[in-house]
Amino acid sequence: AQTVTQSQPEMSVQEAETVTLSCTYDTSESDYYLFWYKQPPSRQMILVIRQEAYKQQNATENRFSVNFQKAAKSFSLKISDSQLGDAAMYFCAYRTGGDKIIFGKGTRLHILP
Amino acid sequence: DSGVTQTPKHLITATGQRVTLRCSPRSGDLSVYWYQQSLDQGLQFLIQYYNGEERAKGNILERFSAQQFPDLHSELNLSSLELGDSALYFCASSPREPSGNTIYFGEGSWLTVV
Repeated sequence: AQTVTQSQPEMSVQEAETVTLSCTYDTSESDYYLFWYKQPPSRQMILVIRQEAYKQQNATENRFSVNFQKAAKSFSLKISDSQLGDAAMYFCAYRTGGDKIIFGKGTRLHILP
Repeated sequence: DSGVTQTPKHLITATGQRVTLRCSPRSGDLSVYWYQQSLDQGLQFLIQYYNGEERAKGNILERFSAQQFPDLHSELNLSSLELGDSALYFCASSPREPSGNTIYFGEGSWLTVV
């Protein structure tokens, strides 16, 4: 069965610094999709970034980028120039070919002013 | 605004009661997903519908049921409610296949069972 593991329950970073959130997953499939979602205190789920497994190039969205290591089944999220508004719970997610999407348990990110 | 609409936003009910949560997906989206998030917990996948048919089932209790109607809106029915059912219930939708499409979440329905 596919699993998604986020090994850091909580992290803190100084404002304007860079932070990397870790995510590993387990699958036997070769074609899949990976996502990072942000959940701020409002509890809304917001898509941050997505990555197609067949693409070697790492996805980037403004200050957010990923380090996708397919062989290692690793999908980390890097946030550059951290801002107070980045404080949230971040969920890593994996989407199977069968359409099911599986979430990790989340990493709570604190931004220190 | 994701385009996914959930009602009600907040609901307080007593143990043993039954409630219905409603979800309208984004225009044109055929897939609807339901997730449960308890306090400070991750998201538990409950069930998915695609164009009116059940597509995938997760950890959904027998006391819970769902359906997707011809107009593609979906309802999640929770019965014989227990205190532990208090949670934030998310609906999400995604377009037709391929499965790499992103799913977009509604703002959730907060259920409190007292």
